[in-house]
This record gives sequence, C-alpha cells and structure tokens, in this order.
Amino acid sequence: EAEVAQSPRYKITEKSQAVAFWCDPISGHATLYWYRQILGQGPELLVQFQDESVVDDSQLPKDRFSAERLKGVDSTLKIQPAELGDSAMYLCASSSTGSTEAFFGQGTRLTVV
Amino acid sequence: QKEVEQNSGPLSVPEGAIASLNCTYSDRGSQSFFWYRQYSGKSPELIMFIYSNGDKEDGRFTAQLNKASQYVSLLIRDSQPSDSATYLCATGGGADGLTFGKGTHLIIQP
Repeated sequence: EAEVAQSPRYKITEKSQAVAFWCDPISGHATLYWYRQILGQGPELLVQFQDESVVDDSQLPKDRFSAERLKGVDSTLKIQPAELGDSAMYLCASSSTGSTEAFFGQGTRLTVV
Repeated sequence: QKEVEQNSGPLSVPEGAIASLNCTYSDRGSQSFFWYRQYSGKSPELIMFIYSNGDKEDGRFTAQLNKASQYVSLLIRDSQPSDSATYLCATGGGADGLTFGKGTHLIIQP
C-alpha cells in the first residue's frame, strides 16, 4: 500500500539550531501539505504545494520557517533558528489532483531543548 | 476563518456500546468533511469522509452530516477497546488545506 514517507521520525535539537524535515508523498500525488500538531491540539496547516508551487503559506512563520518542493515530488521543511515553542509533531500529507482526501505520513516528532 | 469545534472529552463508552462523536463548523460554505483517528504518538488516519447531507455507513462507522445545522457526527457501533483513540473532525481539502478540530479523546471500557 502506498504511503507518505517522512524522516526523521524523531529529532531533538537545541534552541537556535537549524533543523530540517523531509517528506516523499504518495506517488502521483500533486498536492503536498505540511502541518504542525502541538500536543493536545489538532493539526494546523503550515504550507500547501501544488506540484512545485506554493498554494498557501499564510500560516508559515516565514522569519524562521521555509519549505520547498523543487521538482514537485519530495519536499523539505526547515526551521532556523529553532525555538522552544517549535516542539511539536510535524506532519506531511498528500492528495491527488481533484481529490479532497489527504493521507498522512508517520510524522516527525521535534523536541527543542 | 474556518473553525471546527469538538468536545475534547474524554468520552468513556462501554465495550459493545455505540460511541457518538460530534463536531460543529463555522463556515457555511464548507463542502467536505472528514473523520480521522489518531492513536497516541501516531499520525492521523482517515476513516470516513462525507460530502452530502444524511448518513454514510462503512462497516461499524456511520458519518452523519447536517449542513443546515453545521453539524457532523461519527457513530461507532459495537465499540471495541481498539477504537480507543483521539478522533479528529476536519473540513476542507483539495484546493484548501484541511481545518481540524482539537479532537475528542475516546476511551472504550472493557
């Protein structure tokens, strides 16, 4: 069964350091999402790509977060510098064009110390 | 701004009973609704989606949508201990990202 791949699964980093997460969507899925989920909350959309283009990054803290999907396939989300409040689960999801159903990867649990 | 409201629980239900999970949404223009199940420490898993008013059944799960009342629910029949999880209600999808509620923590008591 096709899955969204994410790495790493877990990441511990010191505040002010840089950290990056990688996502490979289900093959053929043109839409890719990055969400952040703080413990006890629902996921919040950070950025949405359609192929290699950003469709929505209105909730992305652009002073420290960046995201790219250069070839329209896999994607990287970067935080620099990391802050204590960035500790959360970072989830990648994908969906096929014309579909509203999104499928999530296993997520990256980030702890900033 | 779209908002999705859920009672955070915990909702405790005896094994074998029907679990009823509820969700309201603010955007009257919302068209698509989703229920995700999330086990502790894991990522959300899509279990049901509904687009039209009325009921949609899939095995032990029934999703109900009432657009006039801006209300979505999920019924789980014959609840099992393995159904214990957080259930996230969401709307949107496609050109829009999903807007999630905070989730309802469901506990099935053996």
